[in-house]
Amino acid sequence: GAGVSQSPSNKVTEKGKDVELRCDPISGHTALYWYRQSLGQGLEFLIYFQGNSAPDKSGLPSDRFSAERTGGSVSTLTIQRTQQEDSAVYLCASSLRSRTDYGYTFGSGTRLTVV
Amino acid sequence: DAKTTQPNSMESNEEEPVHLPCNHSTISGTDYIHWYRQLPSQGPEYVIHGLTSNVNNRMASLAIAEDRKSSTLILHRATLRDAAVYYCILRGLTDSWGKLQFGAGTQVVVTP
Repeated sequence: GAGVSQSPSNKVTEKGKDVELRCDPISGHTALYWYRQSLGQGLEFLIYFQGNSAPDKSGLPSDRFSAERTGGSVSTLTIQRTQQEDSAVYLCASSLRSRTDYGYTFGSGTRLTVV
Repeated sequence: DAKTTQPNSMESNEEEPVHLPCNHSTISGTDYIHWYRQLPSQGPEYVIHGLTSNVNNRMASLAIAEDRKSSTLILHRATLRDAAVYYCILRGLTDSWGKLQFGAGTQVVVTP
């Protein structure tokens, strides 16, 4: 597609439920990133995929968070046993390469609300 | 990542230029200077990046100091649509190439 697509755009879930957030990167982009942004806060790095390399999971806040990227394209971020502090906008970005001279393209995000 | 320092906010009148400063006194020789902006309720948007020379594109210009310890993003004629948070970020070979580290950025307010 023309841009990075994320679904759903909004998700309300009950505390303790699992949620899955989906990201479709730009076709041909080998690097994919997940960030989250809590209300009024900056962007927090979560995880990064580059081609077939092992992902950089150093930003995942707890073992309730996991992500996978199938076939080098679509990625799914899963949050198990959601907590209220997980409420945030989850942003996905892709880049043609992970080199320092390439820019990212971000999706519009998934707004997650845990009630 | 090397750190950057930006003012918290700046105001501009519509159709006037906006100069957004960024200090990065600890920049290394291989660090690229990237700028992103985030409009309300949207994901960040790439604006421009450079290494040593000044750069121009359809959105903005990037002026990089000769010693590279600072840079300025220039919006030539601000419009109401340019109201956003602008982030100045360094990306270098010594960093994990995956991560863009976002700071607090500069909130730009454009008044008609």
